[in-house]
Amino acid sequence: DAGVIQSPRHEVTEMGQEVTLRCKPISGHNSLFWYRQTMMRGLELLIYFNNNVPIDDSGMPEDRFSAKMPNASFSTLKIQPSEPRDSAVYFCASSGQGPTYEQYFGPGTRLTVT
Amino acid sequence: GENVEQHPSTLSVQEGDSAVIKCTYSDSASNYFPWYKQELGKRPQLIIDIRSNVGEKKDQRIAVTLNKTAKHFSLHITETQPEDSAVYFCAASKGDYKLSFGAGTTVTVRA
Repeated sequence: DAGVIQSPRHEVTEMGQEVTLRCKPISGHNSLFWYRQTMMRGLELLIYFNNNVPIDDSGMPEDRFSAKMPNASFSTLKIQPSEPRDSAVYFCASSGQGPTYEQYFGPGTRLTVT
Repeated sequence: GENVEQHPSTLSVQEGDSAVIKCTYSDSASNYFPWYKQELGKRPQLIIDIRSNVGEKKDQRIAVTLNKTAKHFSLHITETQPEDSAVYFCAASKGDYKLSFGAGTTVTVRA
């Protein structure tokens, strides 16, 4: 298995532009998580999907952030419009047997908003 | 919500010595405690976890201990090697999906 796949690995964009981050979880996993990592705030859970359904989006910073999971093998995190304070590494993770089993992280997307 | 505190924030050890990282949690309902290792520029990876029905777990050079009464758990790395240099995160969960992470400990192993 290739593990969790994320794209792009790096994204540089200008303030105000739309950014879309993509994630392919490990095949067979039914839990998917989006995290944001910054030096100031550490690792923060943004949203959690179970069986493609958003269960908890309380970590999403504001309405500029949205996430979808149209099927079991694909999820997107969109920021529109982007701001410099959104600059961070965004990780997608998936879990197979249940949410308290090992979460496998993707390689992350390093987002820079100028 | 759950609050996880992790200490120290940085740790420098001589190769071959032991390293200990401690975490405390606030919610007595938490019952799952994983530890993640993140090398520079890489993804977090699970290295060991413990559940609340176990007091200690060991895997080769790493071990984790849990004290439910005091609400703290610790990671022990013995015979440290240069490849152990990384940021280590503890986390706690109440058995639902949400992992509350500590702020991380940067471990540097000096050759």
